[in-house]
Amino acid sequence: DVKVTQSSRYLVKRTGEKVFLECVQDMDHENMFWYRQDPGLGLRLIYFSYDVKMKEKGDIPEGYSVSREKKERFSLILESASTNQTSMYLCASTPRRQGTYNEQFFGPGTRLTVL
Amino acid sequence: AQSVTQLGSHVSVSEGALVLLRCNYSSSVPPYLFWYVQYPNQGLQLLLKYTSAATLVKGINGFEAEFKKSETSFHLTKPSAHMSDAAEYFCAVGYSGYSTLTFGKGTMLLVSP
Repeated sequence: DVKVTQSSRYLVKRTGEKVFLECVQDMDHENMFWYRQDPGLGLRLIYFSYDVKMKEKGDIPEGYSVSREKKERFSLILESASTNQTSMYLCASTPRRQGTYNEQFFGPGTRLTVL
Repeated sequence: AQSVTQLGSHVSVSEGALVLLRCNYSSSVPPYLFWYVQYPNQGLQLLLKYTSAATLVKGINGFEAEFKKSETSFHLTKPSAHMSDAAEYFCAVGYSGYSTLTFGKGTMLLVSP
């Protein structure tokens, strides 16, 4: 089974802190994604990566950065956390295959509260 | 740009009743379509997917969905709801050659005894 793990299930941080959210997948997937989920807004894509050291902005990248130094790990960084970044953060991965689209596999999520 | 519309942010059914969750997409090219389920405080789990084979797709837990190109729809159904089906359901669309999925805003399914 594909396994996507996230470093924390719950996290509480203070305004202005630098926050790191870690995601690891064990199936050698090329593509990895970070989403935030808010009630009534569904999932919104923050960043994604299609290879090591490669990244692409999603729909809402402002206030976030990412790092992908190894294929299995994709980190989301909040440079200076703000209260409006309180949310559920979901990581996902998918293999890259020509001519088709495979489903994304999700981690359990990190519920971040910024005070 | 592609988009996904899920009609109804909340759907309530009685246990044993038919479940129908609606999803419409906008697209000018053949899509890949997915339904995911999210139980409280968990990540998303794939229920089923349409990838241009059979238009009627069967998934886990007794759910199925039918792709209707003329209606640009991919509605999710289950003949008889169980209490354990109470969760949030997301429809998503993707395309060959693109890495990303576009998700709908989700529909919360409430099941009453």
